[in-house]
Amino acid sequence: SQQGEEDPQALSIQEGENATMNCSYKTSINNLQWYRQNSGRGLVHLILIRSNEREKHSGRLRVTLDTSKKSSSLLITASRAADTASYFCATDENSNSGYELNFGKGTSLLVTP
Amino acid sequence: ETGVTQSPTHLIKTRGQQVTLRCSSQSGHNTVSWYQQALGQGPQFIFQYYREEENGRGNFPPRFSGLQFPNYSSELNVNALELDDSALYLCASSTDLGNEKLFFGSGTQLSVL
Repeated sequence: SQQGEEDPQALSIQEGENATMNCSYKTSINNLQWYRQNSGRGLVHLILIRSNEREKHSGRLRVTLDTSKKSSSLLITASRAADTASYFCATDENSNSGYELNFGKGTSLLVTP
Repeated sequence: ETGVTQSPTHLIKTRGQQVTLRCSSQSGHNTVSWYQQALGQGPQFIFQYYREEENGRGNFPPRFSGLQFPNYSSELNVNALELDDSALYLCASSTDLGNEKLFFGSGTQLSVL
């Protein structure tokens, strides 16, 4: 089942601008991850944030997690044309046996030169 | 480059036929998961194999089955294909039972006519 839901569905910005994507989920989680997918091919892991963490950075990526609101955001700073892709949040639910990730429908990001 | 390879890249089948999709995981990754991604949707969990045994299963019928081999390769078999089985099938490997970072292959695009 899909638990995460990304917002917006699509985002178009110019190079150099920041891009912010949001993810909401429904049940308590162990961790939340963000993945990137180029042109409907394989997904690439970007960053993981655990349920006891509030913010995490990796290069130009900044992820926040608010477990009280069951939401997360992914910020990409100083975007580049190469950042054009779909971005998915994925949650590892507490109720799982640890084998399933629940993905949202994704945010499609277009970065124009 | 995730080190996970899938074959074939594209496949066209007719309703009612059977199909086998293949995946070669990263060396040392004992866990392989399969996901189905319909157009415009996020990946949906099919099942996971750990050390050659099914470790968990999503909401997919028994005509979806799998195998994992000692050499880090695995298969997804789908019998009695239906039109709705048309999708991108992704395999993902990880170390042991962790879901904390999945390494995805580029997928097999299956079209059922």
